Amino acid sequence: QVQLVQSGAEVKKPGASVKVSCKTSGYTFTDYYIHWVRQAPGQGLEWMGWIHPNGGDTHYAQKFQGRVALTRDTSISTAYMELSRLRSDDTAVYYCARDDLNFWGQGTLVTVSS
Amino acid sequence: DIQMTQSPSSLSASVGDRVTITCRASQSISTYLNWYQQKPGKAPNLLIYGASSLQSGVPSRFSGSGSGTDFTLTISSLQPEDFATYYCQQSYNAWTFGQGTKVEIK
Repeated sequence: QVQLVQSGAEVKKPGASVKVSCKTSGYTFTDYYIHWVRQAPGQGLEWMGWIHPNGGDTHYAQKFQGRVALTRDTSISTAYMELSRLRSDDTAVYYCARDDLNFWGQGTLVTVSS
Repeated sequence: DIQMTQSPSSLSASVGDRVTITCRASQSISTYLNWYQQKPGKAPNLLIYGASSLQSGVPSRFSGSGSGTDFTLTISSLQPEDFATYYCQQSYNAWTFGQGTKVEIK
């Protein structure tokens, strides 16, 4: 069965970086784009960008340009989201999701606090 | 970027009520419009894709309609398990989500 399993919760200080992983299984990793979406506490869903695992092409939401990097390791069917220069308003649950809309990771809480 | 405007932001309804949520895109997105349900602490769950196609396993009381810029999600008879937050999403050009509609018990 298709699964997207994310890495565990992180606590970071302002100015630091965080890298969240999304390990996939149950399908051919290179066949589907992976999107990243975040949700601040009590807020709505915010799309961050996508990566195509076949070739590594990326596209980022303008808001995150220059601060986010999406990468992948096809040998272990895993996608990564790295967000740099963290601020307190980056505190959120970060999700990876497959491009066909129906499969999401469980979410990773990133807390940014001094 | 395509903006999605969802309304209302919240509503109170009773079990058995018919509920309608609307979503408007800032430009035409054909039928690249999807609806999700989200419960606290959980990832979003796909209900409707392509504006009107019911995702497998989703009860038939959920339906979607619309094309171009204006879309609607309807729950024909609200059930206790339907109290949640609903989001529209465009997938015409990257992804954008509406602000969400919280459906609460009246």
